[in-house]
This record gives sequence, C-alpha cells and structure tokens, in this order.
Amino acid sequence: GAVVSQHPSRVICKSGTSVKIECRSLDFQATTMFWYRQFPKKSLMLMATSNEGSKATYEQGVEKDKFLINHASLTLSTLTVTSAHPEDSSFYICSASPAAGVSYEQYFGPGTRLTVT
Amino acid sequence: DAKTTQPTSMDCAEGRAANLPCNHSTISGNEYVYWYRQIHSQGPQYIIHGLKNNETNEMASLIITEDRKSSTLILPHATLRDTAVYYCIVNLINNAGNMLTFGGGTRLMVKP
Repeated sequence: GAVVSQHPSRVICKSGTSVKIECRSLDFQATTMFWYRQFPKKSLMLMATSNEGSKATYEQGVEKDKFLINHASLTLSTLTVTSAHPEDSSFYICSASPAAGVSYEQYFGPGTRLTVT
Repeated sequence: DAKTTQPTSMDCAEGRAANLPCNHSTISGNEYVYWYRQIHSQGPQYIIHGLKNNETNEMASLIITEDRKSSTLILPHATLRDTAVYYCIVNLINNAGNMLTFGGGTRLMVKP
C-alpha cells in the first residue's frame, strides 16, 4: 500500500521554541493532507486540512498562528508548532489520500511525538 | 460528532474470533462504514470498509446489518499483534479527500 512518512518521529524542545514536523507521501501525490493531534489515551482530533497551493483550513479551537501549515508540493506538508509550551506536548499524526483515481483509504504517517519541556 | 458508538474495551483469547460491534444509527445512504485500527504509538491503519454488503479481505470481515444502523468487524483468528484500538467511522462515498472523524474506538486486548 501507499506510504506516508513523518519526520522527526520524536522531538524534545524547550518551551518557547518552534518545531517543524514534516509529512511526506512517498509514492503518491496528495492535494490534501490532514493533521491530527492525539493526547495520551485519547482519540485522534483533527487539527487542520492542508491544501496544496492554498491556505490550510483549521478546525474550531485550533490557532492558525500557532500551528503553521505549509503544503508547498503534492508530496509534502509541514506543521510548525510556534512558541511551543508544555501543553502542546502530544502525538501529531498526518494522513493523505492519493489525488489521482478513486481512493477510499487514507494513509497515515507513523506519528511524531512532541515533548515540550 | 463521531456518529458512531463502540464499546470502550473488549478482551479476546488468542486464536479465537474477535467480534467488534459498532452502532451508526444515523448513517445516511451515501456513507460508507470504515474500520481503522491503531496499534500503540503508531499511526492508524486501514482495515476494511463497506456500504451495505458484507465484505471480507485478508485482515477481517465486515458484517453490516440490513438497515445499516450497525456493523461488526470480525477478526477470525485474533493474535497478540491484533491488540490495538479499533475505530469505526462513517464517511462519504467519495472519500478521497475527506477528513475522518474518530470517536473513542474499542480497545481490544488479545490475551494468550
């Protein structure tokens, strides 16, 4: 099946710094990618929809100036957590579906575990 | 709103069939039933989906009731590696670019 990668797999940063997480579709092109956040023992919560070549669409309650999303190509979306705080510590997961043809399946990345100290 | 309800947790003996129920009483005619699972600290993995007919693939079987208000995911011979959280999701037919709304899922524990 199709593969989505994320980098880094885990990162520890100091409070107040920014962290960039990359999401890549390795063997297909994706006009849309999704970013989710998951706190311990909780379900995945959609943060935003990343659209290639245009602005991301954010879910209610997600600050667009804090979670910057850039979908510069059909295979790469980045999520930057700006001025990170300990409460931003979470598991961040992206997903994508192939742009071409009919696809009923979303492919998820392995996730990035962010710890803010 | 997740639009589905699932039991919070279930246990299953290794080698036995695991039957995971899902209620989706408000499903509309153009929505599929999808199942994904998430093994600890990994991204979710697609399992199977269906509209109204029962479906089977190499991972599982999906049984959808005639009124489509509920479904059951069946893992025919559960192994320890099937221990995961299983999510039942309803979504539109043309799902290529649609977001998925995850509910609480069912935490399946397969025991030796």
